[in-house]
Amino acid sequence: EPEVTQTPSHQVTQMGQEVILRCVPISNHLYFYWYRQILGQKVEFLVSFYNNEISEKSEIFDDQFSVERPDGSNFTLKIRSTKLEDSAMYFCASSITPGLAGAKFGPGTRLTVL
Amino acid sequence: GESVGLHLPTLSVQEGDNSIINCAYSNSASDYFIWYKQESGKGPQFIIDIRSNMDKRQGQRVTVLLNKTVKHLSLQIAATQPGDSAVYFCAEILTGGGNKLTFGTGTQLKVEL
Repeated sequence: EPEVTQTPSHQVTQMGQEVILRCVPISNHLYFYWYRQILGQKVEFLVSFYNNEISEKSEIFDDQFSVERPDGSNFTLKIRSTKLEDSAMYFCASSITPGLAGAKFGPGTRLTVL
Repeated sequence: GESVGLHLPTLSVQEGDNSIINCAYSNSASDYFIWYKQESGKGPQFIIDIRSNMDKRQGQRVTVLLNKTVKHLSLQIAATQPGDSAVYFCAEILTGGGNKLTFGTGTQLKVEL
């Protein structure tokens, strides 16, 4: 069964540094998402992406965040200047249809900001 | 305000027993609900979903019940197995809310041998 993959599994960075989290969605999926989960808390929506543009974003997704689908297979989340509070698990998801019914989540990238 | 919440943060059951995990939601406009299972170190895994025009839906060993009158959702797991130990989240998709899921806080299910 096809799966969403994410790299790296764990990223450690210094505060103020830029990080890029990478995701490879399932190949025939058209809708892509980023979610995050701060340790011990619930999963929070960040952004949805379709047809090479952002469909929706949350208040968390400020100017420090950006997403890109650079080559038709990867889907990236960039944080320009990381803050301590950005430390979390970041999950990528993809789906064939809009909405997350039937979407597959990746295993996540653990981001630690020191 | 709008919220999705779970009644019990931790549920312990004996292997072989049935488990019931509950969830309350407050937005009557939500038209789609999903239960996810999250094992340690992994992403949420889809278990079962239900549309708001349904009261019950069954899968393999799992049943989701939706009571729109009291805005309550439950996940029933039959014959709970050690592999069912995980955190279970309910989530709702809000009508007009685009492609955004709102997750609840999660219930930790512990299966005791």
